[in-house]
Amino acid sequence: NAGVTQTPKFQVLKTGQSMTLQCAQDMNHNSMYWYRQDPGMGLRLIYYSASEGTTDKGEVPNGYNVSRLNKREFSLRLESAAPSQTSVYFCASKYRVDGAFFGQGTRLTVV
Amino acid sequence: KQEVTQIPAALSVPEGENLVLNCSFTDSAIYNLQWFRQDPGKGLTSLLLIQSSQREQTSGRLNASLDKSSGRSTLYIAASQPGDSATYLCAVIEGYGGSQGNLIFGKGTKLSVKP
Repeated sequence: NAGVTQTPKFQVLKTGQSMTLQCAQDMNHNSMYWYRQDPGMGLRLIYYSASEGTTDKGEVPNGYNVSRLNKREFSLRLESAAPSQTSVYFCASKYRVDGAFFGQGTRLTVV
Repeated sequence: KQEVTQIPAALSVPEGENLVLNCSFTDSAIYNLQWFRQDPGKGLTSLLLIQSSQREQTSGRLNASLDKSSGRSTLYIAASQPGDSATYLCAVIEGYGGSQGNLIFGKGTKLSVKP
């Protein structure tokens, strides 16, 4: 039972490069989320998808785009990476108001 | 806007001690509250989910309580062990409006249990 799987686990980018973080869940959950975690700031919501075909901005969406490819997959794209986007990124999924399940995270460094 | 606060930010205790971690939130219109554990460099592991209709939930040495009217939750850890050392995060699950179902996190309590 894989749960929530994120790829890659680690990535180093140069300023201005682009990349896509992948997330897949095998629990048939409706809702999926992308968070970033920074020291002293806690976990902040970037984007979420309440159901297949819908996406909405969270607290810190600037510089990111998302795609809910199907019910299982929710990707996060950085079009032009900036040092301020150095962070640990977590994907999560849940069913309605039930508890959430998190992936193991992607550690991204932008130099 | 919902705000979640966890006190203390860090806590160090000797092995065997019972301890309480606190979580407070500003808007009582929540569905549920979830406690997580995060080990260094790792993801979040769910510990307990308290439904809004419940007042407490137990799992092994862990007991979490919820008082929606006062905007508070506590996580009680009995007979602490060095393996309990981690950061503990609480998250409220929003109840209404466009953000229904979203999790809002506190910044966590970093727990260190000394042998």
